[in-house]
Amino acid sequence: AQKITQTQPGMFVQEKEAVTLDCTYDTSDPSYGLFWYKQPSSGEMIFLIYQGSYDQQNATEGRYSLNFQKARKSANLVISASQLGDSAMYFCAMREGVDIGGGTSYGKLTFGQGTILTVHP
Amino acid sequence: GAVVSQHPSRVICKSGTSVKIECRSLDFQATTMFWYRQFPKKSLMLMATSNEGSKATYEQGVEKDKFLINHASLTLSTLTVTSAHPEDSSFYICSAGTGSYNSPLHFGNGTRLTVT
Repeated sequence: AQKITQTQPGMFVQEKEAVTLDCTYDTSDPSYGLFWYKQPSSGEMIFLIYQGSYDQQNATEGRYSLNFQKARKSANLVISASQLGDSAMYFCAMREGVDIGGGTSYGKLTFGQGTILTVHP
Repeated sequence: GAVVSQHPSRVICKSGTSVKIECRSLDFQATTMFWYRQFPKKSLMLMATSNEGSKATYEQGVEKDKFLINHASLTLSTLTVTSAHPEDSSFYICSAGTGSYNSPLHFGNGTRLTVT
C-alpha cells in the first residue's frame, strides 16, 4: 500500500498567488516526521519544511506552511505569494520508526509521487 | 547546515564497464546513508541503506551484486554500478542524516548516469 500519496501530478498557479499541494500519508507509528522537498530541474533535493507527529501547531518557514490534519492523515504544503522560481517538482515524504530489537530507529524517507508546480507570470 | 557532496554529477560509460559514485557528508558524521534512484519526472525509489562498517541493506528487487555499496567511514559511502547496461541509465542520489524522525535527510546533488 502506498504510504505517501500525492494526487496532483501537476499544478499551475499565477505569480503572487497562493497554491496548496496535497499530501496524505498512512502509518500506524505514533512517532513520525513529515517533510516537503523541492526538486528543481537541476535535480538537487531542497528541504523546505518539517512537521512532527506530536507537533500541536502547523509548521511555517517563510512563504511555506504546512496544513497538518492528523486525524485525516494529511500534510498539505501551502506556498504563499508564488514566484517564478518556485516552478519545480515537490515531494512529500515521511520518516517512520523501525523496531530494531529493543529500540527504534528512524531511517529512510519514503516519498510520494511528486507534484510538478508551474508558476505563470 | 548539513552538506552532502556527491561525485561525479554526470557520467557516461560504455556497456559492460563499472562506475563508482561517491557520497560524502562534509560537516557531520553519517552512520547511515541512503541511495535512491529516480527516473525522469518520477519519484525517488530507495535502493539501499548503507551502514558504516557493515553490509548494506537492499530493498526488494534491487540486485546487490549489480549495485555494490560500501560505507567505509562515517563520512563516505560509495555506490558502484557493475557491468552497467543501458537500462541502468538513471539519476542516482544519495542522502544522509541523523537517526531521528524529526530530522530531515540531506541530499547530494545527484549523479546522472548514461550507459551507451
